[in-house]
Amino acid sequence: GAVVSQHPSWVICKSGTSVKIECRSLDFQATTMFWYRQFPKQSLMLMATSNEGSKATYEQGVEKDKFLINHASLTLSTLTVTSAHPEDSSFYICSARDWRGYEQYFGPGTRLTVT
Amino acid sequence: AQKVTQAQTEISVVEKEDVTLDCVYETRDTTYYLFWYKQPPSGELVFLIRRNSFDEQNEISGRYSWNFQKSTSSFNFTITASQVVDSAVYFCALSEIASGAGSYQLTFGKGTKLSVIP
Repeated sequence: GAVVSQHPSWVICKSGTSVKIECRSLDFQATTMFWYRQFPKQSLMLMATSNEGSKATYEQGVEKDKFLINHASLTLSTLTVTSAHPEDSSFYICSARDWRGYEQYFGPGTRLTVT
Repeated sequence: AQKVTQAQTEISVVEKEDVTLDCVYETRDTTYYLFWYKQPPSGELVFLIRRNSFDEQNEISGRYSWNFQKSTSSFNFTITASQVVDSAVYFCALSEIASGAGSYQLTFGKGTKLSVIP
């Protein structure tokens, strides 16, 4: 149990286009989902926290107009990178917290390359 | 503010050696969770352990063991008889225990890359 999926697993897009990444909790309801970004050889940095049905809370320095997060249901959150630029190329990881517990279950990540 | 320090950036050991990965944390919270995760080259984070701040008992799971010492704010991870498959980046993380929209946010250390040489 406690599986989190991400789609796509990797994506290449051209500069200026938008990319949507989906994060799904497959066998549990996630009231809270987290989005992280990881640059090569660096740690995971929290970008935002989203709670189902409400606006996401963004960490300092993360542009909310560029990284649109939608958490419309208890099993799905999406991250849209708008007007992507090469510096947005990174590994994006989501996690979901089961409303009943403390664990965060991580998705497998999405590798975004912007050319 | 919470902070997790993993002073060892990279460690190399020869297979079958024991290795300890250090983790030191800072928090003002009296209740919190500590975690260790493994990130193999594939990128997917693998959960290893969660420890509640109230529970200072050391834990052993197969070749893995964890030493939690509140007095020194450390949560070190030891791999006994290391194997090539243990090669990965290991992250220590800290989470508050609180209610509210931002609850259970994880603060990660910078990670320690472990290379086990055959």
